[in-house]
Amino acid sequence: DTGVSQDPRHKITKRGQNVTFRCDPISEHNRLYWYRQTLGQGPEFLTYFQNEAQLEKSRLLSDRFSAERPKGSFSTLEIQRTEQGDSAMYLCASSLLGAKGYTFGSGTRLTVV
Amino acid sequence: AQTVTQSQPEMSVQEAETVTLSCTYDTSESDYYLFWYKQPPSRQMILVIRQEAYKQQNATENRFSVNFQKAAKSFSLKISDSQLGDAAMYFCAYRSANNDMRFGAGTRLTVKP
Repeated sequence: DTGVSQDPRHKITKRGQNVTFRCDPISEHNRLYWYRQTLGQGPEFLTYFQNEAQLEKSRLLSDRFSAERPKGSFSTLEIQRTEQGDSAMYLCASSLLGAKGYTFGSGTRLTVV
Repeated sequence: AQTVTQSQPEMSVQEAETVTLSCTYDTSESDYYLFWYKQPPSRQMILVIRQEAYKQQNATENRFSVNFQKAAKSFSLKISDSQLGDAAMYFCAYRSANNDMRFGAGTRLTVKP
């Protein structure tokens, strides 16, 4: 296992298009987290899963944002009708239940033009 | 709500010298964890060191150590014998027992040869 993988690394999209990002966590990790990071800022929590259950989604930025983890393994984050303000790095992290720290992926950089 | 404050947007240190990065946090909880993460220009977040709030002894990892002052809600990171590879963004993070991790805005560390 090589850690948390995110795909794609970079995504350029036109305003109004939908985009979907994928995260593959460390295989034995049952918790998976999504964060957004804008330039010069720390990561901002979006949502997290324990296995396939989405336990917190109230901090997704708007109803244009949604996430899934259908089989409790990989997860997808979708942004519908993208806006320029959605341009950011989207980070995924995973952990074991009860673990104190997270392992982060390298992120997907989204640019909305 | 828990907040994490890093009051130093940028810091600079001479190679082989020691530097301290500051972090304060606000919480009403008694059981929590604190972390320092490093984010090099490649953007993957790497865990540097962590501290459990119930432990009085300050955590140490090789050249990295923390000064944890629970009453003052302060959690600073000391880097000894700074190396060029230490140059990165450093994020302080807080996590309570069953909640997500919250990050500060980060400190950009420059190491001068």
